[in-house]
Formats: sequence, C-alpha cells, structure tokens
Amino acid sequence: AQSVTQLDSHVSVSEGTPVLLRCNYSSSYSPSLFWYVQHPNKGLQLLLKYTSAATLVKGINGFEAEFKKSETSFHLTKPSAHMSDAAEYFCVVSDLNTGNQFYFGTGTSLTVIP
Amino acid sequence: DAGVIQSPRHEVTEMGQEVTLRCKPISGHDYLFWYRQTMMRGLELLIYFNNNVPIDDSGMPEDRFSAKMPNASFSTLKIQPSEPRDSAVYFCASSPRGFDQPQHFGDGTRLSIL
Repeated sequence: AQSVTQLDSHVSVSEGTPVLLRCNYSSSYSPSLFWYVQHPNKGLQLLLKYTSAATLVKGINGFEAEFKKSETSFHLTKPSAHMSDAAEYFCVVSDLNTGNQFYFGTGTSLTVIP
Repeated sequence: DAGVIQSPRHEVTEMGQEVTLRCKPISGHDYLFWYRQTMMRGLELLIYFNNNVPIDDSGMPEDRFSAKMPNASFSTLKIQPSEPRDSAVYFCASSPRGFDQPQHFGDGTRLSIL
C-alpha cells in the first residue's frame, strides 16, 4: 500500500535561514512525487515534481527537493527562508503501477520568524 | 491561462438547503478532481472524472452528495440536503493526463452550513 509521511506537522525558521521539510513515502515501484504549497484561503500550488528524471528537482521560488530511492525520501529544501514562504506544504505521491490515486501527506505548516 | 475557476468562493446556507458548487477546469485537461478539506480530516478526494466520465466516486461521503460533468469545461458538486458537518473548503483540480501529472487547483469554495 502507498503512504506518505510528512515527519513534521510544524516547522519554524528565522528569515534568511535554511528550510527543510521532510517527506518519506512507501512505494512498490517508481513513483511520481510532488510538493505543493497552500497559502491561506488559496488552493494548492505546485512547487515541483519528480517523475524519474534527475533526482535533484528544482522548483519555483528557490525550492528544490532530492529524490533518494534508498531512503524513500523526498525532502524539500530552500537555502534562505523568506517571509512569503510561510504557508502549508504538502507532499504527494502517485504510483501508476498500483492504481490511479494521489496520496497526500498531512501537511507541514511553515512559520517564518522575522 | 485563467487557471481552474470555482464559484462561489464563499457559501453560507442553512441546514437542509441544496448547495451547488461549480468548477471550470483548465481547457484541454482530461482529468477533474473534487476534494474536501477540513482541519480534522485534511484533504479528501471525493470523486474524479476522466474525459467527463466519473471514474471513482468512492470518496463521496453519502448519497446526499452528487457530482456531474456535462461537458469538458464544467462540473458541479451538489449537496442535498446539506448538514452542518458538510462545512468545509471544497476544491476542484484538473490535470492534463493523469496521475503522473501535477494537478492545478482552484481557490476553493468555503462552505458553511448553519
């Protein structure tokens, strides 16, 4: 069975410091992995996606994520947090070999302290 | 590209009334998804369509909920009769091909049932 675990429900960082949001998944095959961001009163917006090309994926707004198959992880990072990064972040996995479904993590709320 | 458009953005109505939520997906996208988001349960997939045909409605909570997609540019989610526990934010999302592609979300309809 597929699952996605976002290891931290809340993360606080100071403005200008690095951001690390952790995501682990279970998948029996080659998954597609996504990170989305949700700002208050908005829908989810795609930050980046991994679909079996390069393992280091660059996204919008300076975010990137590294696919590590041996660790079944897809952590999201950013070198320097900005106040506008404060939002909810969702890790999502799908695996076409085990059925058509998106599996959502429970989300990580990022707070950026000025 | 106008993105996924949902209406209304906010709906407040009394218990027992019929509620209709509307969604216009991105042109050319073959898949359309309806989600519900609450603090308690997070994001839940209610139903999805492929080429206007409902494929999986196993997430629809009960018979009070129904969804239609009469054409490629319009979908509705209807609740009749509505109950206070239906209060949530309802999102529509569309995707070009399927589950290896990212979803594009609308900004949601915030529904309050009194």
